[in-house]
Amino acid sequence: DAGITQSPRHKVTETGTPVTLRCHQTENHRYMYWYRQDPGHGLRLIHYSYGVKDTDKGEVSDGYSVSRSKTEDFLLTLESATSSQTSVYFCAISEGRDSPGANVLTFGAGSRLTVL
Amino acid sequence: AQSVTQLGSHVSVSEGALVLLRCNYSSSVPPYLFWYVQYPNQGLQLLLKYTTGATLVKGINGFEAEFKKSETSFHLTKPSAHMSDAAEYFCAVNPSNTGNQFYFGTGTSLTVIP
Repeated sequence: DAGITQSPRHKVTETGTPVTLRCHQTENHRYMYWYRQDPGHGLRLIHYSYGVKDTDKGEVSDGYSVSRSKTEDFLLTLESATSSQTSVYFCAISEGRDSPGANVLTFGAGSRLTVL
Repeated sequence: AQSVTQLGSHVSVSEGALVLLRCNYSSSVPPYLFWYVQYPNQGLQLLLKYTTGATLVKGINGFEAEFKKSETSFHLTKPSAHMSDAAEYFCAVNPSNTGNQFYFGTGTSLTVIP
């Protein structure tokens, strides 16, 4: 998956517990993203980062927080998981529009989260 | 506001038939455009992209797409479907004025009938 690792790949947890998903890249790309994928909704952006300590909200950010203390790591935290957050979460990276690679978004393998 | 519309959440074609998956977008500025494919239980893979220049772009596995600015469309085609093309397909746009965000359609599931 082009130097992107997501962990854990699968997790089952209970309502009200905190959950952290990790995304690690070895590509040194500036931009990192967290999406969730749900049937009928496609991919929806949760949060994204445009540099170390620089993050912004996406369209479905409520109930989620993120942190990026290093270029290579982007963490997604559910402070108190709810059943509506059961989903498949994808991390993605891109270089930016000025890159020779024309800003392709490259995805990790996904993390399947079930909240009981 | 940015949006991406994929007409038809499910498309079925016979093996060897033409594949046509539709994508329309709204954007206040010319965007970069992408098609991604997702096989079961996998992440998304890039099929092809349009940035600038030639409006007909070719991708992997025999797919191509044409950017039509006047119609704000970026439809995906393949002349002859193969069984291995069965997957979920997503259209995405990357406008230049949104802090490098990408917006996705809701996806089209392609079934290929033997």
